[in-house]
This record gives sequence, C-alpha cells and structure tokens, in this order.
Amino acid sequence: EIVLTQSPGTLSLSPGERTTLSCRASQSLTARFLAWYQQKPGQAPRLLVSGASTRASGIPDRFSGSGSGTDFTLTISRLEPEDSAVYYCQQYGNSPLTFGGGTKVEI
Amino acid sequence: EVQLVESGGGLVQPGGPLRLSCVASGFTFNKYAMIWVRQAPGKGLEWVSGINGRGASRLYADSVKGRFTISRDNSKNTVYLEMNSLRAEDTATYFCAKAVSYEWLSEMDHWGQGVPVTVSS
Repeated sequence: EIVLTQSPGTLSLSPGERTTLSCRASQSLTARFLAWYQQKPGQAPRLLVSGASTRASGIPDRFSGSGSGTDFTLTISRLEPEDSAVYYCQQYGNSPLTFGGGTKVEI
Repeated sequence: EVQLVESGGGLVQPGGPLRLSCVASGFTFNKYAMIWVRQAPGKGLEWVSGINGRGASRLYADSVKGRFTISRDNSKNTVYLEMNSLRAEDTATYFCAKAVSYEWLSEMDHWGQGVPVTVSS
C-alpha cells in the first residue's frame, strides 16, 4: 500500500497570500496518478486537480498542482476566504487507492 | 448535471447489517466505475471499495474485506454497499463517488452528499 504523507497539518494564512501544500508518497507513483481534493465542513470532497497538474472543470486557475515521483505539491495563489478547507491528496495508480491525512487551511 | 444520492444509513448494533444505496443520474452510468469512501467523525478520507462499469471487477480495503460487498444494478443506475458484521470502527459518513474512468483505479469527479452510519449498542 502506498502511504501519502501531507504537510503541514495546518496552515493559518491571510487573504491574498500564496501557499504550497505538500504530499509525499512512500513509493514512486505510476504516471503521476495523483489527485487533490478540497473539503469544506459538512460537505463532500471536491476534485481540484488530477494527473498531478490538470485542473478539474470549473476550478479557478489560482489552484495549481505539480510534482512527480514521490513529491507533489498543490499551490494556491491569491488565497480567498472561501479557500478555507481541508485539502487531501489521493493516489490512484496502485491498488488500493489511498488518501493523505489532509492539510487544513485557515484563512 | 451529475447527481449522486445516497440512502440507507442509520444506527445499527455491533455485528448487525446495513445496506447503503446510491442512485446516480446525469451521466451514462455503466461507463464509469463507482467508489465508496468513508470518513470517520473528525478524521480523514478512507477508500472503502470500488466496482468497475459492468461490475466485473471489484476491490475492497483490507479493513472491510470479507464483511462488505459492493454491487451495482446498471438498469437502476444504482450502486450498493452491503455491510455485515459491523463494528464500532465502521462508524463514519459514507460517500458514493463517480470515478473518472471505467475502472475503479481512478480519481473521483463527483460525490454524493454522504450518509451517516453509526455502529453502537
């Protein structure tokens, strides 16, 4: 099983700032099969990025993903209050699918 | 518009059964895998099970293997999660999600609102 480790656990930031969330895999991911999700309290997760760097439909361009191998990042530029949420990475290149533990972003 | 609506959750005693359903609309159901993900109170996301578009391929997390069964009825656009021998640690909100691809080894682009399951005496 591939273990995904996200860091930091919590971020407290101000509107307009830029931040980078990290997701490290315990082994190299097949073909960059890494997704990022945003989950707000009481809501279902929302797909932000797949294939490590492809934004999902309707996702603002202030969200960008990058990385390969074992190290991946989600960058949020120009933070807005509605970006307050928990962000999860997920790998789907190896069975079983696994999620990281999440990074909570507080604006 | 894609919609996923889960039902069947509730309070169940340890060792008891429960069946969750997820009715899908807004896409060609049999072309996509379906996945169940759960989230224990205050915790992160945990993949539970996935089934491919025709239902021929399924997989389970080790934590539920042998106790949970995923199935689908493509004539009803519905995916099920049959849960048996429930334990306290199965207490969670269960989300039904649509995979991006036909196979369940995939990211998920649409999610239901989630259904709570509480295992307690």
